[in-house]
Amino acid sequence: GAVVSQHPSRVICKSGTSVKIECRSLDFQATTMFWYRQFPKQSLMLMATSNEGSKATYEQGVEKDKFLINHASLTLSTLTVTSAHPEDSSFYICSARPPRGDRGYEQYFGPGTRLTVT
Amino acid sequence: AQTVTQSQPEMSVQEAETVTLSCTYDTSESNYYLFWYKQPPSRQMILVIRQEAYKQQNATENRFSVNFQKAAKSFSLKISDSQLGDTAMYFCAFMKPMEYGNKLVFGAGTILRVKS
Repeated sequence: GAVVSQHPSRVICKSGTSVKIECRSLDFQATTMFWYRQFPKQSLMLMATSNEGSKATYEQGVEKDKFLINHASLTLSTLTVTSAHPEDSSFYICSARPPRGDRGYEQYFGPGTRLTVT
Repeated sequence: AQTVTQSQPEMSVQEAETVTLSCTYDTSESNYYLFWYKQPPSRQMILVIRQEAYKQQNATENRFSVNFQKAAKSFSLKISDSQLGDTAMYFCAFMKPMEYGNKLVFGAGTILRVKS
């Protein structure tokens, strides 16, 4: 149980275009989802926290107009990188948290999406 | 703000031997959770072990065990009988329940290489 999927796993886009990454919890309802960015051999950097049905909370320094997050249902959150530039190239990882309870403090991670902007 | 420090950027161990990864954290909280996550070359984050701060007993999961020293704010991971599949980047993480959306605070990570 507790499987989180991401789609696509890899994407290449041209500079100036937008790209959408989907994060789905497959066998549980996720009241909260998190989006991270990771550079090679570095730690995960939290970008934003999204709660179903409400606006995402962005971490300091993250451009909310560039990284649009939508958490439309209890099983789906999307990250849209708008007007992408080469410096947005990175590995993006989502995680999902079950509702409160025994597992409510755990996060389950998706397999990640490698974005390359040319 | 909570911080997590992993002071060993890289480590290596021979297959079948034991290795310990270090983690220290800084918090004024008394109730929190600590985790070790593993990120193999596939980059899928995998939960290795978790520890609730209110529990004095150290958590164990098969070959993985922790040494949780609450007063010293130390949370090391011991891997026994190391296997090639343990090669990965290991992250120590802290979480304060019910605050800040249950956000995880990660350390910088330790790259572990298991050699045959």
